[in-house]
Amino acid sequence: DAKTTQPNSMESNEEEPVHLPCNHSTISGTDYIHWYRQLPSQGPEYVIHGLTSNVNNRMASLAIAEDRKSSTLILHRATLRDAAVYYCILRPLYNQGGKLIFGQGTELSVKP
Amino acid sequence: KAGVTQTPRYLIKTRGQQVTLSCSPISGHRSVSWYQQTPGQGLQFLFEYFSETQRNKGNFPGRFSGRQFSNSRSEMNVSTLELGDSALYLCASSLGTGYDGYTFGSGTRLTVV
Repeated sequence: DAKTTQPNSMESNEEEPVHLPCNHSTISGTDYIHWYRQLPSQGPEYVIHGLTSNVNNRMASLAIAEDRKSSTLILHRATLRDAAVYYCILRPLYNQGGKLIFGQGTELSVKP
Repeated sequence: KAGVTQTPRYLIKTRGQQVTLSCSPISGHRSVSWYQQTPGQGLQFLFEYFSETQRNKGNFPGRFSGRQFSNSRSEMNVSTLELGDSALYLCASSLGTGYDGYTFGSGTRLTVV
């Protein structure tokens, strides 16, 4: 299973953009890049996913490097409710039956 | 639309007992996965069911088992509980296509005393 590497923690100020990096140097051509976040006392929440092109949705943007060995989750204006652990996960397109491999993730704290 | 529902939310059991946890997926979702979350090990995959068949299994002992019913609802059973089984158990549902996202429930907090 391909592995991802993320910083253990990051800090941000409220209403400023946040760039959460993820390295996945062993990614294969059919691996999708998924991001989830987990707020305190809740289950993980799907944020965004992509394959090769940058992706945008109402929650965030995903910027994928041209060689696909890294990606960045972008929160355009952080709010206090964005404080959570963010997980970057590689998921094979022809996946092995629903298995997500979670690393330790990045704990994002947002200061008012 | 209703989210993923897990019951019960909290459970306290004694060592040696068994427990059954329930998960109702989002309507139309045919895949249900189960995860265990502990402070030391983080989130670990237990197993996944799709259309009543187990498609994949993680590295957990045989005391952990599951099943899925024809309406896609799933149950997870842990027999002969050990103190180390104390954890947050999460289930996630998806369409099961291979590239859609997962929706997680809020989990069942199991404490073994």
